[in-house]
Amino acid sequence: GDSVTQMEGPVTLSEEAFLTINCTYTATGYPSLFWYVQYPGEGLQLLLKATKADDKGSNKGFEATYRKETTSFHLEKGSVQVSDSAVYFCALSEGDSGGGADGLTFGKGTHLIIQP
Amino acid sequence: DVKVTQSSRYLVKRTGEKVFLECVQDMDHENMFWYRQDPGLGLRLIYFSYDVKMKEKGDIPEGYSVSREKKERFSLILESASTNQTSMYLCASSSRAGDPQETQYFGPGTRLLVL
Repeated sequence: GDSVTQMEGPVTLSEEAFLTINCTYTATGYPSLFWYVQYPGEGLQLLLKATKADDKGSNKGFEATYRKETTSFHLEKGSVQVSDSAVYFCALSEGDSGGGADGLTFGKGTHLIIQP
Repeated sequence: DVKVTQSSRYLVKRTGEKVFLECVQDMDHENMFWYRQDPGLGLRLIYFSYDVKMKEKGDIPEGYSVSREKKERFSLILESASTNQTSMYLCASSSRAGDPQETQYFGPGTRLLVL
């Protein structure tokens, strides 16, 4: 079956540091890939997505590129802020709808802590 | 803004009780989902629904059932709660397939403790 593997946390960084959170996946077809963020006490919010190989998703300074050859979708940000502290989930969807209509397969989540 | 609301933020129940978790969305979305979130396991799909009165099993449906009598409301039912169902439950909704901008919108979650 499908699976998503992301780096274990917590990841602790200083403000303005460069961030990378690794994500790799296993899927039978050509999935859509997502990063969701969960701030303390809140539900998940879509951060960015990519629906085909070589697509780059970006939002709020975060970026991730869909790499079919390495089955990866690593999340990056050039300069993190304290407000980026949250749990980040990598996810995939096998359907051809772009992800909204199908159940998502999630990684275990990475807790990011940014210190001032 | 899309709003997905869940009936309770925190719930404490006893083993063997029947538990209802309610989810309501206000965007006329066709699709609705129930996930559970556990530390070290991430989110796992329990059930989902593409339309009123329709339901599909997700990855971990055992011990759960669902009801979708109205388009805006999707209920998760624990027929006989057990301690291993202590978890955070997240509801989500999305518009129909074919819209490239669609995404799943999540509620704030219900933290259920079964004693």
